Amino acid sequence: GEDVEQSLFLSVREGDSSVINCTYTDSSSTYLYWYKQEPGAGLQLLTYIFSNMDMKQDQRLTVLLNKKDKHLSLRIADTQTGDSAIYFCAESMNTGFQKLVFGTGTRLLVSP
Amino acid sequence: DGGITQSPKYLFRKEGQNVTLSCEQNLNHDAMYWYRQDPGQGLRLIYYSQIVNDFQKGDIAEGYSVSREKKESFPLTVTSAQKNPTAFYLCASSNQVLPKINQPQHFGDGTRLSIL
Repeated sequence: GEDVEQSLFLSVREGDSSVINCTYTDSSSTYLYWYKQEPGAGLQLLTYIFSNMDMKQDQRLTVLLNKKDKHLSLRIADTQTGDSAIYFCAESMNTGFQKLVFGTGTRLLVSP
Repeated sequence: DGGITQSPKYLFRKEGQNVTLSCEQNLNHDAMYWYRQDPGQGLRLIYYSQIVNDFQKGDIAEGYSVSREKKESFPLTVTSAQKNPTAFYLCASSNQVLPKINQPQHFGDGTRLSIL
């Protein structure tokens, strides 16, 4: 079945690293995405990883993929107050169109 | 600037009324999508369209209708048959879907629909 799970809430102090975790179910997923949503706004694509990769780094963002455990994580280095938002992971299902299955989102709160 | 424009930002519906949410994109994308977001939940797919004049139901299509007469436009109508329409509605678009090619979806800023 299709199910992407995330923890609901994460609180960190400014300057610390944040790690947001996600588990997914479809082993045939081709791409996995991380999106950021600020209050009252749409989703902003942060980064993605192809399913045959283990890691991808993009400035302050590091994505780790453990395909055996179907576990995806997003690490934000030197977290800033502007990083406070909801973060969604999504898996791209192996269907005839690009169906994305989203997690419930993790609300990240960064305190000064 | 290329992007996706959703309007209006806020919309109110009376009982028994149909309302239409607008979504326009100038990214020259072939595929367009409508999602519904409820508090504490992920996004759920309502309808999608891979090409002009064609669209398919998503996971929660009941009470909704769409059209795709132009490549740039994918309006969503919330009909009176949708008994719980209060939600945040997001429109997205992506390039033509090709197997194993990364085609990320890009989102508009959403429309918040409430019941009067």
